[in-house]
Amino acid sequence: DAKTTQPTSMDCAEGRAANLPCNHSTISGNEYVYWYRQIHSQGPQYIIHGLKNNETNEMASLIITEDRKSSTLILPHATLRDTAVYYCIVRATDSWGKLQFGAGTQVVVTP
Amino acid sequence: DGGITQSPKYLFRKEGQNVTLSCEQNLNHDAMYWYRQDPGQGLRLIYYSQIVNDFQKGDIAEGYSVSREKKESFPLTVTSAQKNPTAFYLCASSPSLPANTGELFFGEGSRLTVL
Repeated sequence: DAKTTQPTSMDCAEGRAANLPCNHSTISGNEYVYWYRQIHSQGPQYIIHGLKNNETNEMASLIITEDRKSSTLILPHATLRDTAVYYCIVRATDSWGKLQFGAGTQVVVTP
Repeated sequence: DGGITQSPKYLFRKEGQNVTLSCEQNLNHDAMYWYRQDPGQGLRLIYYSQIVNDFQKGDIAEGYSVSREKKESFPLTVTSAQKNPTAFYLCASSPSLPANTGELFFGEGSRLTVL
């Protein structure tokens, strides 16, 4: 599976949109982009995933560039409960659940 | 409610003792996984099982053992051979294809401290 690069940390003001970047320049055609988050001392929680089209659900939006070498997770209205480590993961369709978690981005939402 | 239950949440053991962490799921998922997380690090895969009575080593299987006798259960034993067992252990499950969208369902974790 392709590797990903994320900033180590970022801050966001409560109520503002949080834009989390991820670089995956070596992504292959059959690899999806997944986003998970982990609140301190809890299990990771799935947020969203996509292949090449932009995706939106009740939690977030995922914007994937046309060349698929990078993506951005958007939390439209950040709340204090969104403070967590966010992981961007690239996974091939045939690799089951063997997700490769990097160090992620520590997002701190401030009042 | 459906979900994954890990126990115990906290565990203290003396060096040289084997410990077994429990993971039970009632989601009717075929696949189950064990991950290890060290402070400030991402998750690393220890073992995974795609079906009952079968399992495969992940990236850091040395010093660990698992069994998969029932679909609902995937216990992890941290043996005395594991040199640095103190860590946060996470169990996860997922459905098999074609329902498998790549989403993993995680438990709340077990924090093991070896004294």
